[in-house]
Amino acid sequence: GAVVSQHPSRVICKSGTSVKIECRSLDFQATTMFWYRQFPKQSLMLMATSNEGSKATYEQGVEKDKFLINHASLTLSTLTVTSAHPEDSSFYICSARVGNSRASYEQYFGPGTRLTVT
Amino acid sequence: AQSVAQPEDQVNVAEGNPLTVKCTYSVSGNPYLFWYVQYPNRGLQFLLKYITGDNLVKGSYGFEAEFNKSQTSFHLKKPSALVSDSALYFCAVLPAGVTGGGNKLTFGTGTQLKVEL
Repeated sequence: GAVVSQHPSRVICKSGTSVKIECRSLDFQATTMFWYRQFPKQSLMLMATSNEGSKATYEQGVEKDKFLINHASLTLSTLTVTSAHPEDSSFYICSARVGNSRASYEQYFGPGTRLTVT
Repeated sequence: AQSVAQPEDQVNVAEGNPLTVKCTYSVSGNPYLFWYVQYPNRGLQFLLKYITGDNLVKGSYGFEAEFNKSQTSFHLKKPSALVSDSALYFCAVLPAGVTGGGNKLTFGTGTQLKVEL
């Protein structure tokens, strides 16, 4: 099946620094990639949707200047958390969509990145 | 707006017994429904989906789900639970149409399944 990787799996950074998380579709080209945030024992919160070569679409309440998303190719999307603060500590998960129609809709998830801001 | 409800935060089952994880949805039109499983500190793994056709959908690891349109439910089931099935399970819906969030999955809050010996 389709594989999505994320790097790094864990990162600890100091408050005020920026962190970049990479999401790659390893054996397929993803028409769309999604970035989620998950708090302990809670569901996934969609942060933004990105399509290759265009600006990401952010969900309401998500600061686009704080969470920078770049979708440079059909196999790579990056999320940069700028000027990170402790409240940004969370589990970030990316996913990649395969298929352009609803009938062929498949969404594959990366293993997640645990961000801890000290 | 579409929504997905998983009424149980946790389900406990003895190994070998059948299990059911409940999911109900609220969405206009004909939705696509999905089940995903998440193991600790991991991303979500696809289990199965319903698009159309037979209301009983079979998926990975012996799981199946039954689509019930009249009750707007899509409960996940397995005839005989294993300890290794213990994980967090998410139900998700892809609404009908291509506008108003038609291309985005909406997830339930998750149900923690615990299978004990």
